[in-house]
Formats: sequence, C-alpha cells, structure tokens
Amino acid sequence: SYELTQPPSVSVSLGQMARISCSGEALPKKYVYWFQQKPGQVPVMVITEDTERPSGIPERFSASTSGTTSTLTISGAQAEDEADYYCLSADSTSSYYVFGSGTKVTVL
Amino acid sequence: EVQLAQSGAEVKKPGESLKISCKASGYAFVSYWIGWVRQKPGKGLEWMGIIYPADSDTKYSPSLEGQVTMSADKSTSTAYLQWDSLKASDTAVYYCARPRRAMVDFELWGPGTPVTVS
Repeated sequence: SYELTQPPSVSVSLGQMARISCSGEALPKKYVYWFQQKPGQVPVMVITEDTERPSGIPERFSASTSGTTSTLTISGAQAEDEADYYCLSADSTSSYYVFGSGTKVTVL
Repeated sequence: EVQLAQSGAEVKKPGESLKISCKASGYAFVSYWIGWVRQKPGKGLEWMGIIYPADSDTKYSPSLEGQVTMSADKSTSTAYLQWDSLKASDTAVYYCARPRRAMVDFELWGPGTPVTVS
C-alpha cells in the first residue's frame, strides 16, 4: 500500500526556520495537505492543496513540492508551533488517502 | 454555528459490535464529504475513509476495508462508523472531519470519540 515518509522529529531554535519533509511516489501528481496537532487537541489544517494557507493560519507556514517530496516550512518558529505535523495525500489512482507517519517539532 | 458533534466515549469487549456517530449542523450535510480519522494511543493519524452523504459514495483505506462500515443518514445529518466485531487493536480515538471544498482538506473536525476495546 501507499506510504508517505516523514522524519520522526525536527528541532528548531526559537525564531529560526524549520523544514519538515514528506516523501511519496505520487506527490508530483497529487495534492498534499498538512495538519498540525498539539497534545490533546484535534488536528488543524495549516496547508491545503500543496501551497495554500487556510484563513487564520500564520504567514510563517508555507509549503512547496519538488518531485516526490513536499516540504512544510515554518519561518521564524514560535513556541506555540511545537506540535506534531502530518502530511496527507492520495495514492496514484486517488482510490484512497494516507497520512504520513508524523513529525514531532520541538522548538528550543 | 458550523460544527460536528460526536457520540461519547465507548468501552466494549472484543467481539462486540459498535456504531459511533457524527452529527453535522450549521451547513448543508449532503454537500460535503465526511471523513473518518483514527488515532491509536500515542500514535499518529490514520485515514480510514470518506463518505459523500448525498449518494453514500465511499472510499475506504485498503487496510480497513471490510473491517468497518461508513454510512450516512441525510434525514438527521448524521454520519456513522460501525464495527460488527471489535478487536483490541480498534482501541483509538475516532475523529470525523469535513473538508473545506474538496475531499480531504479537512477544515472542520469533531472532538473525537474514544473507543476502548478490552
């Protein structure tokens, strides 16, 4: 079955840039969505359709896709950005979707 | 107010059946897909499937097809997730979610239904 691969953890200093990768064979042709989940809370979508930031999401969140890898970037990470981040995308035939394994972002 | 209200926590035994609900309000239920996402204790998010209430079109995760059934009742604006025979490995929090405009751009989430099978 289709898989999306993310690094288990990323650390970033306060105010610096964090990059979280998501790799999958179908990413060149399928939209990627990114979700943030803080402990004990429901997920929040921070990026939709590869690069679009939903209303209310800070400008420091952005994303891009190159080949089979999508990258979520947090520019100027804040303490409140400490959370788990998940990518979501479809398999090559759009028969189903999968979440990536998740990346824990720690702001130092 | 646009929201998804989910049924309460459940404690069941292996082999028992279960049906949990997700009631939509504040928007046209039939016009949006509803997705189900599972999160096992201490683990990541798992996409289970989606249903389009207007015609009950469904897409399931291959790993879960046959294990669970999604349904929707247009008359009560409620989506359901059901099991015929629970396993201990079904212990998780189950979220329903509504996309913004496509299938999985989930902008609206229910609070989750914790299910314990023991």
